[in-house]
Amino acid sequence: KAGVTQTPRYLIKTRGQQVTLSCSPISGHRSVSWYQQTPGQGLQFLFEYFSETQRNKGNFPGRFSGRQFSNSRSEMNVSTLELGDSALYLCASRLGGLAGDSYEQYFGPGTRLTVT
Amino acid sequence: AQSVTQPDIHITVSEGASLELRCNYSYGATPYLFWYVQSPGQGLQLLLKYFSGDTLVQGIKGFEAEFKRSQSSFNLRKPSVHWSDAAEYFCAVRGGGADGLTFGKGTHLIIQP
Repeated sequence: KAGVTQTPRYLIKTRGQQVTLSCSPISGHRSVSWYQQTPGQGLQFLFEYFSETQRNKGNFPGRFSGRQFSNSRSEMNVSTLELGDSALYLCASRLGGLAGDSYEQYFGPGTRLTVT
Repeated sequence: AQSVTQPDIHITVSEGASLELRCNYSYGATPYLFWYVQSPGQGLQLLLKYFSGDTLVQGIKGFEAEFKRSQSSFNLRKPSVHWSDAAEYFCAVRGGGADGLTFGKGTHLIIQP
């Protein structure tokens, strides 16, 4: 089974621009989560989507948004980029759904975003 | 809210020696606990997990971890490390809600020849 894929792998943007990152979950997984990883703050939860609905959101400003499509693929968008948004953005998928979900999340390789 | 503490930022171990990475969590009920490993430029790979039952769990690559409720700990162990184990290790907890994983700051493992 193919793992979680993320595109693009590397991205360089300028302050004030916006960016869209894409994530394709493992086949059959219906839940997708996004995390931001920086040297200073470590790994932080951004949001989780299940069946095209955002289930929860971490403590990030409204400039960070996401969506999920009917095939479970997900995108996240960051508008009005700031230098501090430079980070590795990781996507993780899991089965999701009802009781019995083990909450095991499988991570993609990440998208390295550099804001200049 | 849950939290995770990994007290050791860096650990250096000789190849062939045993390893223990510490993890302490804060959560009111029995949490879901995970250990992940990250190699440079890579995403996170799940090593093992604990949800309930036997408090000693086995994972991939020869790793194991023990859940100790009384100490709020979930330490990762390996009897004999290999040079390929050099990486960043993250302990994570998930509570019962729809929140994502809460990660510790990570422990950087260095293997000496």
